[in-house]
Amino acid sequence: DTAVSQTPKYLVTQMGNDKSIKCEQNLGHDTMYWYKQDSKKFLKIMFSYNNKELIINETVPNRFSPKSPDKAHLNLHINSLELGDSAVYFCASSQDEGGEQYFGPGTRLTVT
Amino acid sequence: GEDVEQSLFLSVREGDSSVINCTYTDSSSTYLYWYKQEPGAGLQLLTYIFSNMDMKQDQRLTVLLNKKDKHLSLRIADTQTGDSAIYFCAESDNGGYQKVTFGTGTKLQVIP
Repeated sequence: DTAVSQTPKYLVTQMGNDKSIKCEQNLGHDTMYWYKQDSKKFLKIMFSYNNKELIINETVPNRFSPKSPDKAHLNLHINSLELGDSAVYFCASSQDEGGEQYFGPGTRLTVT
Repeated sequence: GEDVEQSLFLSVREGDSSVINCTYTDSSSTYLYWYKQEPGAGLQLLTYIFSNMDMKQDQRLTVLLNKKDKHLSLRIADTQTGDSAIYFCAESDNGGYQKVTFGTGTKLQVIP
């Protein structure tokens, strides 16, 4: 009965590789997000999708590409990984109204 | 742009009250939130308050909002060791699809 799930939970990879993180929500929400939490625990929004359409695209390298095959899924693909990409990535979802975001457990990405 | 600030650390004794403070800059903030992040876990929405409210109480939690000073606080009564976590203040405006700006988080340490 998990509301927002992410896979994998941990991801260790080498510089230059391409990797994907998957996110699924079973809440029937229309909006999904990706956040990056750096080593200082500061959360910063990266992307937001509403009904499979990109709404928010903050200043992130174009090596990061979100993909939403349907409104229950928002995957994050990262090309040519760099050391600075090491962080915890959180997926979240919300209805358009209400202002509540529900977060996944996070994916800890370590680039070596 | 929007800015949300919090003190980084708070230490209290078990049974005492904890007060975590937050200031924000966006005068168009509509929703203000408190999230809790336990070690190794995702963010959990604790409570939120609409900007037209001054106070909201939910069991041991009391949220106070001073809109004039753009100051938000979270009071935890009878703090328990299980309350040890990082607490994030966040705000969103009414300008679209729930873009949320987070503070840096306050690490609450409860001493038995």
